[in-house]
Amino acid sequence: RKEVEQDPGPFNVPEGATVAFNCTYSNSASQSFFWYRQDCRKEPKLLMSVYSSGNEDGRFTAQLNRASQYISLLIRDSKLSDSATYLCVVWRSYKLIFGSGTRLLVRP
Amino acid sequence: DAGVTQSPTHLIKTRGQQVTLRCSPKSGHDTVSWYQQALGQGPQFIFQYYEEEERQRGNFPDRFSGHQYPNYSSELNVNALLLGDSALYLCASSRDEGTYLNTEAFFGQGTRLTVV
Repeated sequence: RKEVEQDPGPFNVPEGATVAFNCTYSNSASQSFFWYRQDCRKEPKLLMSVYSSGNEDGRFTAQLNRASQYISLLIRDSKLSDSATYLCVVWRSYKLIFGSGTRLLVRP
Repeated sequence: DAGVTQSPTHLIKTRGQQVTLRCSPKSGHDTVSWYQQALGQGPQFIFQYYEEEERQRGNFPDRFSGHQYPNYSSELNVNALLLGDSALYLCASSRDEGTYLNTEAFFGQGTRLTVV
C-alpha cells in the first residue's frame, strides 16, 4: 500500500464545474501537507500548502483532517487552464512523499 | 533570478552504462533533493544533500549515488543502468532553516532518461 493514496481519475468536467479531489496518507508522523500541480511532461509546481484550519487561494480550497489522515482540494469555477495532474504531497523526515496524482480534464 | 536548472534535458543510454545528471539550485538555496518519476506515477524520493553530505535516502539501491559541491550544485550518478531506470529525474532545491520543518521546494524541469 502506498503511503499517499489518490484516485487517479481522470476527472472529466465542463468549464465552470466544481471538482473535489481527496487523498489519504498512512504515516501519522507526516509533518506538512501540500497540493502540487503538474502539467504534461513538466515539473511539479506548488499549488498550495494545506492546514487543519483550511485555506483558500482564489478558486482553490484545501483542507486537512489530521485525525482521519485525509487531505482534500476543491476547485470552483473550473477553467480550461486547470487541466493538469494534481499531486497530493506530504513532508516527513526531510523528504516530500507524493501520491500518484489525479488527472483533471476540463472541457469547453 | 534563475530557478533550478538541470542538464541534460534528455538522455538515451544503453543498459549497463553509467549516467551523470546535474543540477544547479535556485539562488540562495543550499539543499538539493533528487526524485525519480516513472510514467504515470508521482515522483519518488531518491536522496537529499545538505552541506555536501547525503542527509536522507529513499529506497533506492546503491547504484544510485550523488554528490554536492561547495557551490551547492549537485550530481546524480546511476551505475549499471537497467531498463527500469527509464524515468524523469527531478531535482528540487530548498533552503535549510535549521529545523526539520519544510521550506518550499522548487523543482527543475527534469532530465528524461531513456535506457534501451
